Amino acid sequence: AQSVTQLDSQVPVFEEAPVELRCNYSSSVSVYLFWYVQYPNQGLQLLLKYLSGSTLVKGINGFEAEFNKSQTSFHLRKPSVHISDTAEYFCAVSSLGANNLFFGTGTRLTVIP
Amino acid sequence: GAVVSQHPSRVICKSGTSVKIECRSLDFQATTMFWYRQFPKQSLMLMATSNEGSKATYEQGVEKDKFLINHASLTLSTLTVTSAHPEDSSFYICSASLGRNTEAFFGQGTRLTVV
Repeated sequence: AQSVTQLDSQVPVFEEAPVELRCNYSSSVSVYLFWYVQYPNQGLQLLLKYLSGSTLVKGINGFEAEFNKSQTSFHLRKPSVHISDTAEYFCAVSSLGANNLFFGTGTRLTVIP
Repeated sequence: GAVVSQHPSRVICKSGTSVKIECRSLDFQATTMFWYRQFPKQSLMLMATSNEGSKATYEQGVEKDKFLINHASLTLSTLTVTSAHPEDSSFYICSASLGRNTEAFFGQGTRLTVV
C-alpha cells in the first residue's frame, strides 16, 4: 500500500519569494509521483509528474519537483511565486501499472501581496 | 491534454432523494474511470474504480449500494448517490485514463449539498 504525507497544511509566502511544498511518501513498490493544483470549487490540474528518468521534473507555471528515492520525498518548488499561485496543492502517488492515485492531505499555499 | 467533463458542477437535493453525477471523457476513450470524494479541507479519497463494461471495484468502507457506479461506455461513467443524506454532502471528482501506466485526467468536480 502507498501513503503520502504533506507535513505543511498551510504555507503563506510573500509575492516573488521562493516556496517549497514538502511531500514524503511510503511504498513497498516502485511508484509514480504527481503534484496537482486545485483552485476553489474546481477539479485538479496536473502540475508535473515523475515516472522515470531525470529526478528533477519541470512542470507548468514555473514549478519543479525533485524525486529523492533515498529520502522518499518529492518536494515541489518555485523560485518566485505570484498571487495567482494561491491554491491547494496535492501530492499523489500511484504504483507502477496502476492508475488509482493516493493523495496527501494537501497544502494551502497563500501568496501575500 | 485530454478533457474530462463532469456534470453537474453543483447540485442541491432533498434528503432521501437520489442524485446522478456524470463523468465524460470528451476527446478520448477511457477504459478506466475513478471516483473520488473530498471532504472540506481534506484530501481526495478514492471511492471506486470502474472499468468499461464491468462492475466497479469499491474501496473499503464505501457502500456499493449507496454509491452506484455505471460505466456503460468508453466515454461515460455515472455515479448515483441513492437516498442521499446530509452526511453525503461533499465534493465528488472523477478522473479518467486510457489504461495502465497512463495519466489520469480529472473532471471539474461536483459539489453535492443534501438538505
